[in-house]
Amino acid sequence: DAGITQSPRHKVTETGTPVTLRCHQTENHRYMYWYRQDPGHGLRLIHYSYGVKDTDKGEVSDGYSVSRSKTEDFLLTLESATSSQTSVYFCAISESAGDTEAFFGQGTRLTVV
Amino acid sequence: KQEVTQIPAALSVPEGENLVLNCSFTDSAIYNLQWFRQDPGKGLTSLLLIQSSQREQTSGRLNASLDKSSGRSTLYIAASQPGDSATYLCAVYTGNQFYFGTGTSLTVIP
Repeated sequence: DAGITQSPRHKVTETGTPVTLRCHQTENHRYMYWYRQDPGHGLRLIHYSYGVKDTDKGEVSDGYSVSRSKTEDFLLTLESATSSQTSVYFCAISESAGDTEAFFGQGTRLTVV
Repeated sequence: KQEVTQIPAALSVPEGENLVLNCSFTDSAIYNLQWFRQDPGKGLTSLLLIQSSQREQTSGRLNASLDKSSGRSTLYIAASQPGDSATYLCAVYTGNQFYFGTGTSLTVIP
């Protein structure tokens, strides 16, 4: 299995609080992605990174920010959590854009109450 | 915007049967297509990656085909087993992200 670790694996938080999810990889892959998975919607891209300090928005980026200060770590922050952000969050990595496999972490189940 | 559709949404078959899962996408300008497996409460496991220039890939009992011009891919599973029960997802890569279908939930009955 690709070396991807997401933390925490489960979290319950209150509406309005900030939350940070961490994705750590040991593969030295350049590309890292954050997706959320919701019933009926499948997986949707939140943000992605194509290198240290290089990030861009996905289709559902509102209310989320990211940072990548090291190759191995990609952080997703919910600035002020809302109930609509209750979801399962997945981190993915790929060595390059387009011609290599993507590998996924085990997911973080976030509940906003 | 790329739209990915998987049919059927759910499938139940007896053990030993061969089966086909379908994936269609609206924009043929893709770099690759990847099939994943997801077990309940787990992450995604990569099964097969097909580059846009390829027509098929095989791994064990799995065979995936790609017809980029018609926007279709199929995942063929031979001699299905109860351990194949899972949700199967296809995803197309368009240059900066993967677009996913909502998956086919497969149950193989012993």
